Amino acid sequence: GAGVSQSPSNKVTEKGKDVELRCDPISGHTALYWYRQSLGQGLEFLIYFQGNSAPDKSGLPSDRFSAERTGGSVSTLTIQRTQQEDSAVYLCASSARERGGKDTQYFGPGTRLTVL
Amino acid sequence: QQPVQSPQAVILREGEDAVINCSSSKALYSVHWYRQKHGEAPIFLMILLKGGEQKGHDKISASFNEKKQQSSLYLTASQLSYSGTYFCGTEMRNNNDMRFGAGTRLTVKP
Repeated sequence: GAGVSQSPSNKVTEKGKDVELRCDPISGHTALYWYRQSLGQGLEFLIYFQGNSAPDKSGLPSDRFSAERTGGSVSTLTIQRTQQEDSAVYLCASSARERGGKDTQYFGPGTRLTVL
Repeated sequence: QQPVQSPQAVILREGEDAVINCSSSKALYSVHWYRQKHGEAPIFLMILLKGGEQKGHDKISASFNEKKQQSSLYLTASQLSYSGTYFCGTEMRNNNDMRFGAGTRLTVKP
């Protein structure tokens, strides 16, 4: 596609349920990022995938959060046993960067997660 | 590792100027600037890679002082369309990921 797409655009779930958020990066982009943005707050880094390298998971807030990227393209962010504090907009971004090179990130529209 | 932005918020009249600062406690490889309008995804404005480098984008420009580990975004003769939240993102040397500041909310009024 022309840009980064994310699905669903909105997700309402009950506390304790698991959710999966999907990101389709721009074709050919080797780098993929997940961020979380709470209402009126900044961008909180979650996880970073670069090519076939091991992902940088240093931003994941707890072991309830995990992400994978299949075939170097689509990525899924999974939140297990959701809590109300997980409510936020989850943004995905991709870039065509090579290691050590420029990293212009293109953001998707985000998934708004609401945990009741 | 998160950079610090200042001010947190600024309100301008159309035509006025503003400066947004971004500073880091560690050496930086690059600084990126993004703008996010309410309810939309952030969009890329510019990237600065070299110390002292300045880049311009219409009436929005930025500088990067590598020694001081900081960058400044300059908005001159502001327009209503400049309203939004501005984020700086920083990359450390030999690091792979970017960290964003908390953002600066800019409001331009007629």
